[in-house]
Amino acid sequence: NAGVTQTPKFQVLKTGQSMTLQCAQDMNHNSMYWYRQDPGMGLRLIYYSASEGTTDKGEVPNGYNVSRLNKREFSLRLESAAPSQTSVYFCASSDTATGIETQYFGPGTRLLVL
Amino acid sequence: LAKTTQPISMDSYEGQEVNITCSHNNIATNDYITWYQQFPSQGPRFIIQGYKTKVTNEVASLFIPADRKSSTLSLPRVSLSDTAVYYCLVGYSSASKIIFGSGTRLSIRP
Repeated sequence: NAGVTQTPKFQVLKTGQSMTLQCAQDMNHNSMYWYRQDPGMGLRLIYYSASEGTTDKGEVPNGYNVSRLNKREFSLRLESAAPSQTSVYFCASSDTATGIETQYFGPGTRLLVL
Repeated sequence: LAKTTQPISMDSYEGQEVNITCSHNNIATNDYITWYQQFPSQGPRFIIQGYKTKVTNEVASLFIPADRKSSTLSLPRVSLSDTAVYYCLVGYSSASKIIFGSGTRLSIRP
């Protein structure tokens, strides 16, 4: 039982390049989330998916797109990376069937945009 | 949206009990209170969750007064490994209502 996994662990991009961050969970959770965390700051929600086939914007969605590929996988895409997107990206999942929000986080992807 | 307010930082020593208080004046009836812990270079980790009164698990205790406008995370006999950032969140099942603030940076000294 791996929990939430993220790939890659670290990535360096040049401004304007694109990339997809991958996230998978093996806990059969309905909901999945993407956050970014800038140095010394709290987490900010980018996008979330309450269930397979649905996605919604969070607090800071500009510059990102997401795909809920199936119940297990939720990817985050940067179409044209900018230095302001340098951050640590965390994926999380939760089982909201009970109506109570408890999120489980992956180890993070550290992204540097030059 | 239930906003939370907690101290930016706290210092303590090994073996002491640490209490971190969080204010959430506009908590909604359905909202639960959840605390997460984050170590450097790791994702946040769930510590404890409660709705009212007191909740205790193997890691911490959570005290919630009757008006639910605040809550206190209590860490008994802390060690150096408890040095981390602690986040207080209030919310229900909708992700758009879950907001991570800046958290409380707890530093434990020998």
